[in-house]
Amino acid sequence: GDSVTQTEGLVTLTEGLPVMLNCTYQSTYSPFLFWYVQHLNEAPKLLLKSFTDNKRPEHQGFHATLHKSSSSFHLQKSSAQLSDSALYYCALSDRNYGSSGNKLIFGIGTLLSVKP
Amino acid sequence: DAGVTQTPRHEVAEKGQTIILKCEPVSGHNDLFWYRQTKIQGLELLSYFRSKSLMEDGGAFKDRFKAEMLNSSFSTLKIQPTEPKDSAVYLCASSSRGRPEVFFGKGTRLTVV
Repeated sequence: GDSVTQTEGLVTLTEGLPVMLNCTYQSTYSPFLFWYVQHLNEAPKLLLKSFTDNKRPEHQGFHATLHKSSSSFHLQKSSAQLSDSALYYCALSDRNYGSSGNKLIFGIGTLLSVKP
Repeated sequence: DAGVTQTPRHEVAEKGQTIILKCEPVSGHNDLFWYRQTKIQGLELLSYFRSKSLMEDGGAFKDRFKAEMLNSSFSTLKIQPTEPKDSAVYLCASSSRGRPEVFFGKGTRLTVV
């Protein structure tokens, strides 16, 4: 079945250092890939979505590149901020809405902790 | 626009009790999802509705978990009977056909003692 793997449960960084959170996936089709972010006591919110035309999505300084050859969609940012501390989920969904709607399959999540 | 609304935000239940969690999706959305969130398992799908029809009912959760969608603007998740291992955050989410973004509520934190 389809799956998403996030290898780091916790990433601790000093403010100003670059961020990279890993995400790989397994799928029998060519899915959409997403990054969701959840701050403490808040709802998960969409951060980034993969494009169909290989453009690199960017939002709030974060970007991610879909590499179909390695089935990866790693999240990156050049300089971490204290406000980036949150739980980050990588997820996938089928491009064919008729198959499974917008159902998301999530990774286990990576907690990013940014220290001063 | 109102987002996804979940009530209550916190629930404490004794083992063996029946609890009902409530969700109001974003107005006009076709898809509604219930997820369970834990540190160990992450986000696990419990149920998925499309236009009020049950499309998927998570196999591991079938025996004590039942989600219903009474109308397009209201859904419930019943857990009967509750067990301590059910302690988790239960998230409701919705989305619309043609737009792959899924919107989440803030969740209900359930503690079973």
